[in-house]
Amino acid sequence: QVQLVQSGAEVKKPGASVKVSCKASGDTFTGDYIHWVRQAPGQGLEWMGWIHPKSGGTKPVQKFQGRVTMTRDTSITTVYMELSRLTSDDTAVYFCANFDSHIYAFDLWGQGTLVTVSS
Amino acid sequence: DIQMTQSPSSVSASVGDRVTITCRASQDISSWLAWYQQKPGGAPKLLIYAASSLQRGVPSRFSGSGSGTDFTLSISSLQPEDFATYFCQQADTSPWTFGQGTKVEI
Repeated sequence: QVQLVQSGAEVKKPGASVKVSCKASGDTFTGDYIHWVRQAPGQGLEWMGWIHPKSGGTKPVQKFQGRVTMTRDTSITTVYMELSRLTSDDTAVYFCANFDSHIYAFDLWGQGTLVTVSS
Repeated sequence: DIQMTQSPSSVSASVGDRVTITCRASQDISSWLAWYQQKPGGAPKLLIYAASSLQRGVPSRFSGSGSGTDFTLSISSLQPEDFATYFCQQADTSPWTFGQGTKVEI
């Protein structure tokens, strides 16, 4: 069964950037779009945007525009989410998730990557 | 942005109980609603999509209903493994938004 495998936890200082990766275990993404969702400690889920791995097209949420960059590698087996100018409010678990365009839901999630921003 | 409001924020229940969680959208989202279960330290898991369709592999004690602005998730007979937090999510209009979650506790 295909899984989404994310990179490990990160600790960053305020003002720095973090880059989180998400790899399809079967070396291919099952869906057309990979989305990023984050969850601050004890809080709900916040959608950040998507990347279309085949074309490289992206759509970040307006809140993160100018601060988030979503990319993929040339083999299209791994996607990345880079968030810059980090503040303590960016401390969260970041998930990648496959969006199934047929059922309009996130049917497969990565295990999550904890990003801690602290001086 | 479409606001998703869940109630209650938490519910205490026992094994075997029937539990119902509601989710209200701030505008009509047709049936573009999904429900997820999340356990501590884990990723969300899809339970229900299109308001009432059961995801493959999810036990039939879970069911969803509703359309427009009002939706419900029901668990017919709560099992020990069902104690978790449940989120609704709309996929009608970008940006996709989630409810704040409902924690089902013993």
